[in-house]
Amino acid sequence: DSGVTQTPKHLITATGQRVTLRCSPRSGDLSVYWYQQSLDQGLQFLIQYYNGEERAKGNILERFSAQQFPDLHSELNLSSLELGDSALYFCASSPRAGRGYEQYFGPGTRLTVT
Amino acid sequence: AQTVTQSQPEMSVQEAETVTLSCTYDTSENNYYLFWYKQPPSRQMILVIRQEAYKQQNATENRFSVNFQKAAKSFSLKISDSQLGDTAMYFCAFMKHGGHTGTASKLTFGTGTRLQVTL
Repeated sequence: DSGVTQTPKHLITATGQRVTLRCSPRSGDLSVYWYQQSLDQGLQFLIQYYNGEERAKGNILERFSAQQFPDLHSELNLSSLELGDSALYFCASSPRAGRGYEQYFGPGTRLTVT
Repeated sequence: AQTVTQSQPEMSVQEAETVTLSCTYDTSENNYYLFWYKQPPSRQMILVIRQEAYKQQNATENRFSVNFQKAAKSFSLKISDSQLGDTAMYFCAFMKHGGHTGTASKLTFGTGTRLQVTL
């Protein structure tokens, strides 16, 4: 158990819908990362937050957004869902950011868009 | 931009034997970090080992060790005394050093090597 929690574990929804994925980092970790793992794109970085502020954006679609709250939990919002958004979404956390701090991954949320 | 290449999609090893997984990367950075993550059938991503580019000494964690060749931009993972529980996808990943704390530090992953440990 990495100490990072993600809810829900599984999510099945229809095209055009909107969903919210939730992540609670390890106790004391300030930085949260979101990654997407799909069959065709592999593991891709989406976005990073550090102590409530956005720090970096990767290949995140405009239909996707995220935020980190004062209690440091984070949410990833996916809207206007398409079939291609079906993937495993991971949240990871680290104590700080930069300088090679190890990232610990949650169990992931498996999203299926039908 | 950094790229990470794992040229072995699948490998197989017998229990108790040793196996080496290959990884190469491309970067213009001088300071960076390299990682190996394991993803068993449960899909959980588990950190296996970490290497700082400025350290010449290869990292080791119990049965896992790396061969880091900075000039060749190569970072292979050796698993000794393979166990059935080592069956998993293994991902090599790159992270820039970044600067002060709080800077961007995404992981760039390779495509993975599926390792099967057999009896």
